[in-house]
Amino acid sequence: DIVLTQSPGTLSSSLGERVTLSCRASQTVRSNYLAWYQQKPGQAPRLLIFDASTRATDIPDRFSGSGSGTDFTLTIRRLEPEDLAVYYCQQYAKPPITFGQGTRLDIK
Amino acid sequence: QVQLVQSGAEAQRSGSSARVSCKYSGDSFNTDAIAWVRQAPGQGLEWMGMIVPLLRFTTYAQKFQDRVTITADTSTKTAYMELRSLTSEDSAVYYCARQIPKGPAPNYLDAWGPGTWVTVSS
Repeated sequence: DIVLTQSPGTLSSSLGERVTLSCRASQTVRSNYLAWYQQKPGQAPRLLIFDASTRATDIPDRFSGSGSGTDFTLTIRRLEPEDLAVYYCQQYAKPPITFGQGTRLDIK
Repeated sequence: QVQLVQSGAEAQRSGSSARVSCKYSGDSFNTDAIAWVRQAPGQGLEWMGMIVPLLRFTTYAQKFQDRVTITADTSTKTAYMELRSLTSEDSAVYYCARQIPKGPAPNYLDAWGPGTWVTVSS
């Protein structure tokens, strides 16, 4: 199975700042088949990014994804209060689907 | 716009089974794939398996292979996940999610149900 390792485990940033979350795969994620999800407390996950860099429907352009191979990044520009959440990466290049362990984003 | 509505919370005893339903609102139930993902309290997301109703195709994570069955009723557009031989470690929120069609291959999950709590006690 492809193991995804996210870093940092917890990130605390101020409103208006730019933050970068990392997701590293144990082997190459072919075709950049990597997605990012946001999960707010008490809610189901929501798709943010698929194919490493394509924003899902209705996702603001403050969210962007990049990377290839084994290293991927989610960047959030101009942090807003509603961005408080846990963020997960997921690979769908090779079955079974696997998720990273998550990065918790706190707002200072 | 696909919407997924799940059945209510369940309280089960160790050794028994849980069955969670997921009713799909939309036009593409037969061709979409429905995946099941669980999340234990305070933990991350764990993919359990998926079904493609049109293909009558199911695939399961190896960890759950012997204990889980995912089915679909195309007449009611409802998917089901049954997990057997429950232990306390199966206490979790169980989500169904729509997977963009790509045949039997895995893909990203673009619509999620609200989740169903399953609590297992001894």
